[in-house]
Amino acid sequence: DTGVSQNPRHKITKRGQNVTFRCDPISEHNRLYWYRQTLGQGPEFLTYFQNEAQLEKSRLLSDRFSAERPKGSFSTLEIQRTEQGDSAMYLCASSFGESKETQYFGPGTRLLVL
Amino acid sequence: AQKVTQAQTEISVVEKEDVTLDCVYETRDTTYYLFWYKQPPSGELVFLIRRNSFDEQNEISGRYSWNFQKSTSSFNFTITASHVVDSAVYFCALETWDDKVIFGPGTSLSVIP
Repeated sequence: DTGVSQNPRHKITKRGQNVTFRCDPISEHNRLYWYRQTLGQGPEFLTYFQNEAQLEKSRLLSDRFSAERPKGSFSTLEIQRTEQGDSAMYLCASSFGESKETQYFGPGTRLLVL
Repeated sequence: AQKVTQAQTEISVVEKEDVTLDCVYETRDTTYYLFWYKQPPSGELVFLIRRNSFDEQNEISGRYSWNFQKSTSSFNFTITASHVVDSAVYFCALETWDDKVIFGPGTSLSVIP
């Protein structure tokens, strides 16, 4: 059983460019979560999906951020017009069930905005 | 408000010493879940334990043990006979009614050979 995978693992971009990250959850996991982690901090919740429905979005998720999970399997997180403050590790997690089940994390995508 | 505090920012121990990582949480919910995750230098968060608020029994898994005390809102983690491979950042986390997981700031553990 493969774990959660994320691509790319690293991304360097210039300010103002758009970037897109992909997350493939553990197969049959119906819930998928996105978190952001900055240096020296714990992960912060951004948004989550149950199947293809986006159920919750954090206030951290500005208008420049959009997440999709069109077929209820993989998910993409897009950041438009990147800013230096977007530099962080973006973590994806998945879980199986309705609620309160353990979330299993991927390796993350480290974004650096120059 | 929901909050997780890990007062120890960094801890260093010598190999084979025992070490306890503290976690204090705040929530008004009566039903909640607590977690510990390990984040080694590679960056991937590794799940260690999940405990619901109705189960206050302490748990032991090999060299790891957890002490959940509802009266003090604490969920401490002890590593017995630490190894160099235990060096990592450890996060305590809280999940409440709205299914969002709130992480503490983490404790960086260094085990020196």
